[in-house]
Amino acid sequence: GENVEQHPSTLSVQEGDSAVIKCTYSDSASNYFPWYKQELGKRPQLIIDIRSNVGEKKDQRIAVTLNKTAKHFSLHITETQPEDSAVYFCAASSRGFQKLVFGTGTRLLVSP
Amino acid sequence: DAGVTQSPTHLIKTRGQHVTLRCSPISGHKSVSWYQQVLGQGPQFIFQYYEKEERGRGNFPDRFSARQFPNYSSELNVNALLLGDSALYLCASSFGKASGNEQFFGPGTRLTVL
Repeated sequence: GENVEQHPSTLSVQEGDSAVIKCTYSDSASNYFPWYKQELGKRPQLIIDIRSNVGEKKDQRIAVTLNKTAKHFSLHITETQPEDSAVYFCAASSRGFQKLVFGTGTRLLVSP
Repeated sequence: DAGVTQSPTHLIKTRGQHVTLRCSPISGHKSVSWYQQVLGQGPQFIFQYYEKEERGRGNFPDRFSARQFPNYSSELNVNALLLGDSALYLCASSFGKASGNEQFFGPGTRLTVL
């Protein structure tokens, strides 16, 4: 069945460093790849997404890359700040209805 | 504009009982999806409804059911509750019905089954 693997499960960086989170998906029909940030006790919030017809997308300090051949996609955060500390989830969705298959999450801790 | 709202915020039930969770989508959004998030894991898809019709169902038992009303709000019902049903139940709304439409999540209902 559909599966999304996410690594690492935890990531600790110093303020100002870059952080990279990687995901692999199994369903080759997947065409939409959002990334969500979830702070403790709060709802998941979309931070960036990419569609299968695009290889890279950037929004200020956040970028996402997609390799359809390898079925990999990654989140890159530059110049990390303490407020970036949260759990980040990748997800994948196939054509048709809106089922998002989520990864297991990465807990990012940015130390001042 | 109000975001997605869910009620109740918290709920405590005992095994065997049933529960109804409610969701109001963002104004103008016609699609509602339900997810279950167990502590420490990513959300798991339960249902999607669009224009009052079920568009998709995840790998959950028949104890889970849902419906969508003419005003696009939705209910998730869970019968014969088990301890393993304890989780955060998230509702997400979007404008369109297909993959690629941004889904906006509500704050969730935290269900505890004792």
